[in-house]
Amino acid sequence: DAKTTQPPSMDCAEGRAANLPCNHSTISGNEYVYWYRQIHSQGPQYIIHGLKNNETNEMASLIITEDRKSSTLILPHATLRDTAVYYCIVPFGGTSYGKLTFGQGTILTVHP
Amino acid sequence: NAGVMQNPRHLVRRRGQEARLRCSPVKGHSHVYWYRQLPEEGLKFMVYLQKENIIDESGMPKERFSAEFPKEGPSILRIQQVVRGDSAAYFCASSSGQSSYEQYFGPGTRLTVT
Repeated sequence: DAKTTQPPSMDCAEGRAANLPCNHSTISGNEYVYWYRQIHSQGPQYIIHGLKNNETNEMASLIITEDRKSSTLILPHATLRDTAVYYCIVPFGGTSYGKLTFGQGTILTVHP
Repeated sequence: NAGVMQNPRHLVRRRGQEARLRCSPVKGHSHVYWYRQLPEEGLKFMVYLQKENIIDESGMPKERFSAEFPKEGPSILRIQQVVRGDSAAYFCASSSGQSSYEQYFGPGTRLTVT
């Protein structure tokens, strides 16, 4: 998998936008960026993924830089329930097809 | 619209016993994955299965662990002769064939070995 780098922790005020960065400078041209989160003790939750265009769904927006070396996950109006560990993953295909490699992620804490 | 179901949610076994963890994927999904999360550690991939086939078992310990996904019924992760180091949360995920990295996870089975 392409290596990803995320800050270990971030804080956000409830109701404000949470912007979570991820560096993936070794990403290849056909590799997607995936975001997951894990709320304490629960199973991980798929959030969004993208290749090079910005993506938006009901949970979040994903902004990928033009050179694709970094991306930002945006939670537009963070709530207390968004407190979780957020993982940025760039899976590698080939023989590892289907395997997700979770790093340390970013612990997002949303404050009242 | 049931998601991934895992049972039991909590399982206590004594050292040397067998543990069987079950996973029913999202309806229509034919790809199943198992991950393990040791206490205070990250999630680690164990195995990737399609119906009746093991696709990637690179994360499975060489001994005592096995997994299957039969034509009918749930996927089973089996741990023989459990040891205390097997105590962990085991998560199952499933995906459709079109996007194997868009995986939907179950609530996990917490295995405690006493």
